Amino acid sequence: KNEVEQSPQNLTAQEGEFITINCSYSVGISALHWLQQHPGGGIVSLFMLSSGKKKHGRLIATINIQEKHSSLHITASHPRDSAVYICAVRGRVRDFGNEKLTFGTGTRLTIIP
Amino acid sequence: DAGVTQSPTHLIKTRGQQVTLRCSPKSGHDTVSWYQQALGQGPQFIFQYYEEEERQRGNFPDRFSGHQFPNYSSELNVNALLLGDSALYLCASSFRLAPRTDTQYFGPGTRLTVL
Repeated sequence: KNEVEQSPQNLTAQEGEFITINCSYSVGISALHWLQQHPGGGIVSLFMLSSGKKKHGRLIATINIQEKHSSLHITASHPRDSAVYICAVRGRVRDFGNEKLTFGTGTRLTIIP
Repeated sequence: DAGVTQSPTHLIKTRGQQVTLRCSPKSGHDTVSWYQQALGQGPQFIFQYYEEEERQRGNFPDRFSGHQFPNYSSELNVNALLLGDSALYLCASSFRLAPRTDTQYFGPGTRLTVL
C-alpha cells in the first residue's frame, strides 16, 4: 500500500463544475503539499499545509491531521485548470535538513469547455 | 531571480550508457533533491544533497549517484542505463534551515529516454 493515496486517478468535468480531489496518507507528516503538473513536466507548488485550510483564488485546500486526509477543491473550473494534481507529504523533521517528499500518483483533471 | 534550472531538457541514450543531469538551485537555496517520475506515476525520491554530501537516499541502486558543488548546484549521474530508467528527472531546491512549512521549488525536469 502506498504511503500517499489519491482519488480519483482521472477526473473529467464540464467547465464551471466544482472539483474535489482527495489525498490520504498513512505516515506522520510535518506538511502536505498540493502541486500542479502540466504536460511537459514542470511542477508548480499550489499549497503547503500543516493544518486547517488555505485559499488562493478559485483553489481551496484543506487538511485534517487526525484523519490523515486532505482535499483540493477548484471552484468554477476552467479548461486551463486541466493538469495533473499531485499530493505530496513531508515527513516529520528529525533534525537539520528537509525531509524528503513522498508523492501520490496524481489525479489527471480534464475540464471540457 | 532565476528559479530552479535543469539541463538538458531532453536526452536520448542507449542501454549501457552513462548520463549526467544538472541542476542549479533557486538563489538562496542550499539543498537539492532529485526525483524520478516514470510515465503516469508520481515522482519518487532519489536522494538529497546539502553541504556537498548525500544526506538522504531513496530506494535506488548504486548506479544512481550524485554530487553537489560549492555553489550548491548538483549533478545526477546514472551508470549502465536500463530501459526502465526512462523517465522525467526532477530537481527541487530548498533552504535546509527554512521553516518546515516552507515551500519547495521544482525545476522543469530533464526527460531521459533510454533506447
